[in-house]
Amino acid sequence: GDSVTQMEGPVTLSEEAFLTINCTYTATGYPSLFWYVQYPGEGLQLLLKATKADDKGSNKGFEATYRKETTSFHLEKGSVQVSDSAVYFCALGYGGATNKLIFGTGTLLAVQP
Amino acid sequence: DTGVSQNPRHKITKRGQNVTFRCDPISEHNRLYWYRQTLGQGPEFLTYFQNEAQLEKSRLLSDRFSAERPKGSFSTLEIQRTEQGDSAMYLCASSSAGGSTDTQYFGPGTRLTVL
Repeated sequence: GDSVTQMEGPVTLSEEAFLTINCTYTATGYPSLFWYVQYPGEGLQLLLKATKADDKGSNKGFEATYRKETTSFHLEKGSVQVSDSAVYFCALGYGGATNKLIFGTGTLLAVQP
Repeated sequence: DTGVSQNPRHKITKRGQNVTFRCDPISEHNRLYWYRQTLGQGPEFLTYFQNEAQLEKSRLLSDRFSAERPKGSFSTLEIQRTEQGDSAMYLCASSSAGGSTDTQYFGPGTRLTVL
């Protein structure tokens, strides 16, 4: 079946450091890929998405490229801020009739000043 | 845009009691989903509705769980005879059907604690 694997956290970085959170997936079809973020005490928010191979999703300085050849969707940011501290979830979904999202276990990012 | 709302935000109950949660989706969204999230894990799909029709249910949704969306607007999730293993965050999401980029928007969740 379909699944998503994320790097384990916590990831601890200093402010302005480069961020990579790895995400790989196993899929029986051609899903869309998503990154959601959960800030402390808040609900899940969509951060970015990509719907087909080689698409790049971007938002708030974060980027991720849908790599079909490596079945990956790694999240990157060039310079993190303390306000980026949150839990990040990678997910896949097909839309259409089979519409559930399948999430990874989440990666906690802690950015220190 | 008021977003997805869920009530209550927190619920503490004793084992064996019944509980009911409510979700109000974004008003123009015709799809509604329920997920469950336990500590340290990602959300797991429970069920989803298109309008009032329940189109898919996970094996996680035992016969003690029932979800309804009677008029295609708000939804309720009921858990009967709660067990300690039901303790989790219950998340609701909604989306607008169409195309392959069906983005789900999540509510803040209802945290259930079963004593």
